[in-house]
Amino acid sequence: EAGVAQSPRYKIIEKRQSVAFWCNPISGHATLYWYQQILGQGPKLLIQFQNNGVVDDSQLPKDRFSAERLKGVDSTLKIQPAKLEDSAVYLCASSLGVGGEQFFGPGTRLTVL
Amino acid sequence: GENVEQHPSTLSVQEGDSAVIKCTYSDSASNYFPWYKQELGKRPQLIIDIRSNVGEKKDQRIAVTLNKTAKHFSLHITETQPEDSAVYFCAASRGGANSKLTFGKGITLSVRP
Repeated sequence: EAGVAQSPRYKIIEKRQSVAFWCNPISGHATLYWYQQILGQGPKLLIQFQNNGVVDDSQLPKDRFSAERLKGVDSTLKIQPAKLEDSAVYLCASSLGVGGEQFFGPGTRLTVL
Repeated sequence: GENVEQHPSTLSVQEGDSAVIKCTYSDSASNYFPWYKQELGKRPQLIIDIRSNVGEKKDQRIAVTLNKTAKHFSLHITETQPEDSAVYFCAASRGGANSKLTFGKGITLSVRP
C-alpha cells in the first residue's frame, strides 16, 4: 500500500513569513496526526483529526498555527507568521482508527531564518 | 499530562551484544506503549508495541517488557547488528478515543562493528 505523503520535503522561509504543509494519509485511514519534531527531541503532537473533526489540539499554538482536514482525507498545516523557534521537522501520521498503529510520512523540514 | 522519559540518552554496544533501553511514564492510565526506530533523516517506524494487559512481547531479535507497577517499559535487542544503529523513541498513550502519543526524547544506539 502507498504510504503517507507529505509536501514539500524542505522549506526555508524568513521569520514573519507564512508557510503551509500538505499531507495525504494512507487510503482509508480515518485518523490523521500532525507532529512537530525539534532536532534532538521526540515528536510532539500538534493536532489530531478523526475524519474531518478535531480530537485534540491542546498543544497547537493557535495564535499562529492552524490546520484543517475539510473532506476527511488530505490535510494542511499552516504557520502564520513563522518564528525562529518553529524550525523543525513537521511529521504527518495516519492510522486506521483511534488507537491503531500510526504510520508516519517523510516529514517537511522547515528552516526559519 | 503524560511525561515519558528515556534513559540513557546514548548507548554504544559491540556488534552481537544485547542492548536494553528503558522508559518511564507518569500517567497510570496509559495502556499502550509503542517503540519507534528513526534512522538519520528518515521517518519514525514502529518496531514493536505492547498493551497493558501483557507483560512481555517478542518479535525475533526484539522484545518489550512492561512493569505497570513501576511504570516503566524496556526495549531489548539481542544479537545487535550495525543496521540497528538509529534513534529509538518510546511513547505512551491512554488509547481509546484519544490515542495521543507522548514521546520520549529518544536514545541514540550505536552498534560498533
